Amino acid sequence: GEDVEQSLFLSVREGDSSVINCTYTDSSSTYLYWYKQEPGAGLQLLTYIFSNMDMKQDQRLTVLLNKKDKHLSLRIADTQTGDSAIYFCAEKDTDKLIFGTGTRLQVFP
Amino acid sequence: DTGVSQDPRHKITKRGQNVTFRCDPISEHNRLYWYRQTLGQGPEFLTYFQNEAQLEKSRLLSDRFSAERPKGSFSTLEIQRTEQGDSAMYLCASSLDGESTEAFFGQGTRLTVV
Repeated sequence: GEDVEQSLFLSVREGDSSVINCTYTDSSSTYLYWYKQEPGAGLQLLTYIFSNMDMKQDQRLTVLLNKKDKHLSLRIADTQTGDSAIYFCAEKDTDKLIFGTGTRLQVFP
Repeated sequence: DTGVSQDPRHKITKRGQNVTFRCDPISEHNRLYWYRQTLGQGPEFLTYFQNEAQLEKSRLLSDRFSAERPKGSFSTLEIQRTEQGDSAMYLCASSLDGESTEAFFGQGTRLTVV
């Protein structure tokens, strides 16, 4: 079945770049997503990429997709303390989303 | 309309009791999804509706769970005879249709079964 994997934890200094990685298994996924979840809250869609793209940039966010290796990454430039949260990648499987286990990003001053 | 809303935000119940959660999607969205998220995990798909029709149910949705969307607007998720393993965050999401790129999530209902 489909499986999405992420590293569990990332710690970065404020102002540095953060790179969160994700691998997925379903090569037929049309869209891949990054969601952000703050403590006790729902999920906020950050960005998404269509599977025929290699890269998408949106302000401080850069998404890279390596379809051959089924690898997705999210780069956050100039990471701020407000970026501290759990980040989930997700792939679209027909009509539903398959989520990874999430990467907890901690930003320290 | 400010987004997907869920009620209640928190629910504590005794084992064996029934609970019902409500989700109000974004008004023009015809797709509505239910997910469950346990501590330290990503959300897992439970079921979804297109208008009032329930089109898919996950194997996670045991016989004790039932979801409805009677008029194609709000939806309810009922859990009968709750068990401690049902403790989780229950998330609702909506989207415009199956081809939509974006699903918008509510704040979730956190269920604690004691």
